[in-house]
Amino acid sequence: NAGVTQTPKFRILKIGQSMTLQCTQDMNHNYMYWYRQDPGMGLKLIYYSVGAGITDKGEVPNGYNVSRSTTEDFPLRLELAAPSQTSVYFCASSYSSNRKITGELFFGEGSRLTVL
Amino acid sequence: GNSVTQMEGPVTLSEEAFLTINCTYTATGYPSLFWYVQYPGEGLQLLLKATKADDKGSNKGFEATYRKETTSFHLEKGSVQVSDSAVYFCALREGNQFYFGTGTSLTVIP
Repeated sequence: NAGVTQTPKFRILKIGQSMTLQCTQDMNHNYMYWYRQDPGMGLKLIYYSVGAGITDKGEVPNGYNVSRSTTEDFPLRLELAAPSQTSVYFCASSYSSNRKITGELFFGEGSRLTVL
Repeated sequence: GNSVTQMEGPVTLSEEAFLTINCTYTATGYPSLFWYVQYPGEGLQLLLKATKADDKGSNKGFEATYRKETTSFHLEKGSVQVSDSAVYFCALREGNQFYFGTGTSLTVIP
């Protein structure tokens, strides 16, 4: 089982560049999430999705966009990268039954992004 | 609203010492509670969980008991090892949303 797979693991961007962080899961989970982790700050929710075609903003969505065209994939796009977006990004997923989550989050290994 | 508060680190212990990491929560309903562990350079992994009051979650020698009366879910281990060095996150799930504490860094020295 691959679980949740994120790519790339590391990336350096220049200010103003754009990029997409890829996330795919093979567990047939409906719920998927993007978090960012800043040093000493815990996890902040960027966006989440309850299923294909449905996305919602989290706590810190500004500067990001997401799409969910399939159950498996939940890419996170950064437009016009800024130094404040330097962080470690985690994708996660969770199983649900009748749109209700019954268990825990499964995390990818993270993508470390630096914006210079 | 919902929130999780955990003790600030960093925590440094000698091998075989007793570990407690405090976690308290605020929730409007009846949440499930979790402890996640993050080893250096890796993602978060579920360590243990409890879904209702008085449940005890346990794994790899770690334990935590869901205490509704004190809204707490403290993590304990009787004898830590160097390999337990990691960041530990307390979390709750209420409905379909998860809330995380800020993490507690643990370093175990030989």
